[in-house]
Amino acid sequence: DTEVTQTPKHLVMGMTNKKSLKCEQHMGHRAMYWYKQKAKKPPELMFVYSYEKLSINESVPSRFSPECPNSSLLNLHLHALQPEDSALYLCASSQEPTGYQPQHFGDGTRLSIL
Amino acid sequence: TQLLEQSPQFLSIQEGENLTVYCNSSSVFSSLQWYRQEPGEGPVLLVTVVTGGEVKKLKRLTFQFGDARKDSSLHITAAQPGDTGLYLCAGARYGGATNKLIFGTGTLLAVQP
Repeated sequence: DTEVTQTPKHLVMGMTNKKSLKCEQHMGHRAMYWYKQKAKKPPELMFVYSYEKLSINESVPSRFSPECPNSSLLNLHLHALQPEDSALYLCASSQEPTGYQPQHFGDGTRLSIL
Repeated sequence: TQLLEQSPQFLSIQEGENLTVYCNSSSVFSSLQWYRQEPGEGPVLLVTVVTGGEVKKLKRLTFQFGDARKDSSLHITAAQPGDTGLYLCAGARYGGATNKLIFGTGTLLAVQP
């Protein structure tokens, strides 16, 4: 069982909808990450939160809006998405915000945009 | 620009065969991690290597970090169907953003029973 929990597991939405993806970890990790992954491809980094503050935004379109309400929670708010945004969205956490630290991944939210 | 190239991209083998996956770069990495991702799940860390020339063994899996810290390999002995998945190397760079992992291009392995 993964220690990083993502909800929902599957999401289908229209291009005009607003939805949110949620991620939760209770390992006391101080860094949390959002990745986008297309089938059979490596994860692509979207956002990094360090100590609840946004530290990296990989030039992600504004239709994706991250939020870190507290050290255990990470949200990704979605609005006016495009069909090409259909993908697996992975959340990860690490003990400290350094590349040396192993990242613990959730099982992802499979997002389909109609 | 993809900094970490993995080869082969795809590999389909029979149970019991041996295989090696390579992860190569022109850049130096301070550490390198290997992950395995099974269908419908997130990547799971297999190992972290931090010292040039380091070799780590995890049951039938042997990981090596190159002396120059630019490349790594994963060798699987007597592959089993349970080894099927997407194998990803990921590195932390010297002098780069300290909280960013660079993922390799991935190797999709299928082990047929």
